Amino acid sequence: SAVISQKPSRDICQRGTSLTIQCQVDSQVTMMFWYRQQPGQSLTLIATANQGSEATYESGFVIDKFPISRPNLTFSTLTVSNMSPEDSSIYLCSAGQGYYNEQFFGPGTRLTVL
Amino acid sequence: KNEVEQSPQNLTAQEGEFITINCSYSVGISALHWLQQHPGGGIVSLFMLSSGKKKHGRLIATINIQEKHSSLHITASHPRDSAVYICAVALITSGSRLTFGEGTQLTVNP
Repeated sequence: SAVISQKPSRDICQRGTSLTIQCQVDSQVTMMFWYRQQPGQSLTLIATANQGSEATYESGFVIDKFPISRPNLTFSTLTVSNMSPEDSSIYLCSAGQGYYNEQFFGPGTRLTVL
Repeated sequence: KNEVEQSPQNLTAQEGEFITINCSYSVGISALHWLQQHPGGGIVSLFMLSSGKKKHGRLIATINIQEKHSSLHITASHPRDSAVYICAVALITSGSRLTFGEGTQLTVNP
């Protein structure tokens, strides 16, 4: 199994600012993902974080708004840029070892944009 | 129509009751996950299934690949089981990326 931590656990931010969320895994993993959960909704995949290369974004999400870094096999960051109240959500990272293996989820970052 | 459908959306039970949450999907999958989300937002992975049945403590998960259906059972339910339970599938065409159901809000009253 893998233990995942996220920082910060929650934040309240002003419109127009940016927030970087960190995801740390306690072991090397092949796959890392970032998800968003808007209030009352299920999770939506933002992107797959690729080690050493640009992230792969899902339809409706772009790098300028959600830049992602993954410098190694245990760490990734997601930045929410130029925030608006519509960005208020829980942001989760997950990690797994590959195709048929279990995915492990972080505790989430609860973001409120005023 | 969503690729992953869960039922019921909301479920209220008395402590000790046997609980079943259902998940149906419409496409080919390589794996199905059951997840638990508590009010703080954090998600715990309960099971990953590609066939058959798994049991962990009071939780049992089953999957029928032919019928494209999975169930999560909780025996002897307890108030601490109150959470949102989410079914997620890894589509054959999308590798490890998951598609999520809407979730089932379970409330277990003492």
